[in-house]
Amino acid sequence: GAGVSQTPSNKVTEKGKYVELRCDPISGHTALYWYRQSLGQGPEFLIYFQGTGAADDSGLPNDRFFAVRPEGSVSTLKIQRTERGDSAVYLCASSLKAAGSGELFFGEGSRLTVL
Amino acid sequence: GQNIDQPTEMTATEGAIVQINCTYQTSGFNGLFWYQQHAGEAPTFLSYNVLDGLEEKGRFSSFLSRSKGYSYLLLKELQMKDSASYLCAVSLSGNTPLVFGKGTRLSVIA
Repeated sequence: GAGVSQTPSNKVTEKGKYVELRCDPISGHTALYWYRQSLGQGPEFLIYFQGTGAADDSGLPNDRFFAVRPEGSVSTLKIQRTERGDSAVYLCASSLKAAGSGELFFGEGSRLTVL
Repeated sequence: GQNIDQPTEMTATEGAIVQINCTYQTSGFNGLFWYQQHAGEAPTFLSYNVLDGLEEKGRFSSFLSRSKGYSYLLLKELQMKDSASYLCAVSLSGNTPLVFGKGTRLSVIA
């Protein structure tokens, strides 16, 4: 596609529920990133994929968070047993070059609200 | 941990010049990025500095001093549409994701 696409744009869920957030990167971009952004803060790194494999998952806050990219394109961020503190905008980005070497192209984000 | 500092908020007048500073103390350094983020929208790339000095791109310029761990973004001839958050981000190495500062919210007033 022309840009990074994220769905849903908004998700409201109840504490304890399971949530999936989807990211469709720019075609041909091998690197894909998930960041989380709370109000008034900068993006906080969660996980980075190079192709199908997670090259760096050091930012995932705990084992309730998991992400996959099975075919090296679309990625899904999965959050189990959601908590109110998980409420944030989840940003996905992709790049042509390896992490840290090139411009990131961000999607509009998925705003998650946990009640 | 990685430390990237920017002012939280700034206000400037339409037509003026504003400088947004960023200082960093990180375990590695491979370059510094600036992104612009309008409220409710995705961050968009503005500039990338890897060597010391000034990079100019239209009304926007970015400066880097690696020895001082310091960068600034200079915006000239401010327009109302420049009201946004400006994010400073450091690349620690060629293969690690960017680390972002908290952002500076710039308000441009008439």
